[in-house]
Amino acid sequence: AQSVSQHNHHVILSEAASLELGCNYSYGGTVNLFWYVQYPGQHLQLLLKYFSGDPLVKGIKGFEAEFIKSKFSFNLRKPSVQWSDTAEYFCAVSSYNQGGKLIFGQGTELSVKP
Amino acid sequence: NAGVTQTPKFQVLKTGQSMTLQCAQDMNHNSMYWYRQDPGMGLRLIYYSASEGTTDKGEVPNGYNVSRLNKREFSLRLESAAPSQTSVYFCASSGRYSPHEQYFGPGTRLTVT
Repeated sequence: AQSVSQHNHHVILSEAASLELGCNYSYGGTVNLFWYVQYPGQHLQLLLKYFSGDPLVKGIKGFEAEFIKSKFSFNLRKPSVQWSDTAEYFCAVSSYNQGGKLIFGQGTELSVKP
Repeated sequence: NAGVTQTPKFQVLKTGQSMTLQCAQDMNHNSMYWYRQDPGMGLRLIYYSASEGTTDKGEVPNGYNVSRLNKREFSLRLESAAPSQTSVYFCASSGRYSPHEQYFGPGTRLTVT
């Protein structure tokens, strides 16, 4: 069965620090990969997605993620975080032969100190 | 264009009571989903509907039923609520040509005492 694992449950950073959130998945076939963000009190929003092509994908608000197929990883990065990036971040995967069903990781809570 | 809407926003139930969570989308999407979100467990798929008239079980369907009333609406019913169903419930939808890109509603926070 597919699964998604996010390494960090809670990350605390100061403003301007660099961010990398880990995500690994287990599935041998073709996958689509996503990062969603949930700001406090809000619903989930799509941050970025990878379907195919360039393994380095750029999303909104300066975030990017790199798909490394050999490591089954899709880590999220941002060079310099802001207080407004405080949120919970979810990695998700779907496979082509399972329609639109998404499997989510456990989530990583990011707290950015001003 | 409201996107995905859910009602109610909050609900408290006693064990054994029943209720229906409502979800509607105005994006003409074919597929709709119900998830529950629990601390440390991310989101888990309860049921989904790939198209009007079809529904399928997800990862955690026990204790729930769903109805795809029409293309816009997808409801989730708890027939006999249990404390283990205390959670935040999210509805989502996705379009025919991008089924993997889901749009989420604001959520319903349900407490079962």
